[in-house]
Amino acid sequence: EPEVTQTPSHQVTQMGQEVILRCVPISNHLYFYWYRQILGQKVEFLVSFYNNEISEKSEIFDDRFSVERPDGSNFTLKIRSTKLEDSAMYFCASSRERNTGELFFGEGSRLTVL
Amino acid sequence: AQSVSQHNHHVILSEAASLELGCNYSYGGTVNLFWYVQYPGQHLQLLLKYFSGDPLVKGIKGFEAEFIKSKFSFNLRKPSVQWSDTAEYFCAVRGSGSARQLTFGSGTQLTVLP
Repeated sequence: EPEVTQTPSHQVTQMGQEVILRCVPISNHLYFYWYRQILGQKVEFLVSFYNNEISEKSEIFDDRFSVERPDGSNFTLKIRSTKLEDSAMYFCASSRERNTGELFFGEGSRLTVL
Repeated sequence: AQSVSQHNHHVILSEAASLELGCNYSYGGTVNLFWYVQYPGQHLQLLLKYFSGDPLVKGIKGFEAEFIKSKFSFNLRKPSVQWSDTAEYFCAVRGSGSARQLTFGSGTQLTVLP
């Protein structure tokens, strides 16, 4: 069964550093998403991406965050000038259609900012 | 904006017990409703969804959920749980327009004792 894969599974970084979280969505999917879950809190929407541009983003997705699809397979989330409050589990997801809401999630990348 | 409430944070059951997990949402328009499950060490995966039609929807592994519009509820049920159902369960809602992205509840951890 095709699946969304994410790397790294755990990233530890110093505050102020830049991190890149990588995702390989399911190959025939066209819509890509990042969500995050701070420990003990809800899974929150960050951004959706389609046709090489951001479709929607939440207020969490400030100008330190960026997404990119540098090639035909990877979908990356970059966080510049990391803050302690960026520590969370980051989930990548993809879907074949836009409005079905049937997202396929990766296993997550845990980011720890020290 | 929509919101989702899951009132049970942790539910502990013995095998063969019946399960009902509560989910209430707030949104003024038409909604799509979902239950996702996350087994230990695995990714979020779709359990079942409601878009329209029969308000009683059946999902994988014997789970079902009933959409009661008047109560803004979408409770998850299973008549007889198994140890393998131990997981975290997330209710999610998707509205329309600016509320188009999935909004998750805080999750319910289900532990089934053998």
